[in-house]
Amino acid sequence: EVQLVESGGGLVQPGGSLRLSCAASGFTFSGYEMNWVRQAPGKGLEWVSYINSDGSTIYYADSVKGRFTISRDNAKNSLYLQMNSLRAEDTAVYYCARDDRTTMAIPNFDYWGQGTLVTVSS
Amino acid sequence: DIQMTQSPSSLSASVGDRVTITCRASQSISSYLNWYQQKPGKAPKLLICAASSLQSGVPSRFSGSGSGTDFTLTISSLQPEDFATYYCQQSHSIPRTFGQGTKLEIK
Repeated sequence: EVQLVESGGGLVQPGGSLRLSCAASGFTFSGYEMNWVRQAPGKGLEWVSYINSDGSTIYYADSVKGRFTISRDNAKNSLYLQMNSLRAEDTAVYYCARDDRTTMAIPNFDYWGQGTLVTVSS
Repeated sequence: DIQMTQSPSSLSASVGDRVTITCRASQSISSYLNWYQQKPGKAPKLLICAASSLQSGVPSRFSGSGSGTDFTLTISSLQPEDFATYYCQQSHSIPRTFGQGTKLEIK
């Protein structure tokens, strides 16, 4: 069974840092691209970042570029999001999501974690 | 960036109704369109990928269609468990933008 379990969320002051983790199991983690998606309270979904299977290709949303860093450790089946210079508008539930291209090679997010809440407030 | 616009933003319907949600892309995305369902307090769930391909385990009352810029998600006969928020997402290019969501409520 595919499982993605996020951790590392919490309350942090503006300007602070936090590192989120996503532990993967039930599939060959090193064979999949991964993403982070966030959802501010009462709002819609916002894609945050993407990393390919070996970590050589990375993309970010403009809203987090220069402040967030995505990475992965395939030996530990884990995905990470280092978040620096946090702002109130970064308050959200952060989800990790597996990127699948089985159907017509069209990317989709076929499995999601349960999410971890990040609150940026003084 | 490709903008995704869903309509309506909210919808009231009854069990047994046929419901259609539309999603429009700001430029052509071929069939690079996915639909997700999200219930309160839960992670999104993939329903349909590549515009019309039903994900394994998703009931056949859900269907998707469209190509280019205009897409639809149809629920043929609403069931109580279908009341949720639905999001479209384009995967044609980075950033992988989502629509703003359509909240489907019980009438």
